[in-house]
Amino acid sequence: DVKVTQSSRYLVKRTGEKVFLECVQDMDHENMFWYRQDPGLGLRLIYFSYDVKMKEKGDIPEGYSVSREKKERFSLILESASTNQTSMYLCASSPDRDSYNEQFFGPGTRLTVL
Amino acid sequence: SQKIEQNSEALNIQEGKTATLTCNYTNYSPAYLQWYRQDPGRGPVFLLLIRENEKEKRKERLKVTFDTTLKQSLFHITASQPADSATYLCAPGDTGRRALTFGSGTRLQVQP
Repeated sequence: DVKVTQSSRYLVKRTGEKVFLECVQDMDHENMFWYRQDPGLGLRLIYFSYDVKMKEKGDIPEGYSVSREKKERFSLILESASTNQTSMYLCASSPDRDSYNEQFFGPGTRLTVL
Repeated sequence: SQKIEQNSEALNIQEGKTATLTCNYTNYSPAYLQWYRQDPGRGPVFLLLIRENEKEKRKERLKVTFDTTLKQSLFHITASQPADSATYLCAPGDTGRRALTFGSGTRLQVQP
């Protein structure tokens, strides 16, 4: 079974802090994604990566950056956390471009910024 | 711009009945459409994929239809059970584009 793990289930940070959310997948997938999910807004794509050191902006990249130094690990960085970044953050991975891109999700990190 | 619409109101049905959830999309011609299930506090789980040249796809008690003329997909759960209670998300996709765009989901509540 594909497993996608996220470093924390719950996280509480203060405004202005630098926040790192880590995601690891164990199936050698090329693609990895970061979403945030808010009530009524659904899943919104922040960034995704299709290879080591490669990244593309999603729909809402402002205030975030990402890092993919190894194929299995994709990090989301909040450079200076703000209260409007309080949300559920979901990481996902999917196989190569030629597949129909079924995505495998991690359990999510609920981040609260005070 | 692309728009995906799922009924934001919860769908309440009695156990044993068929649940039908709708996904409409505009300004978009997806090559396929995926459906996911999400339980509270958990990540979505893939259920079914239907391609644009397929009218219908089945998996156990699940059935998905894809009407490219109406720009709509219907997701059916037959003989529904309380364990089917969850939020169901649709996600149209294009071959060659790695990212999906998700609808906001419809919450299904099956009453015993």
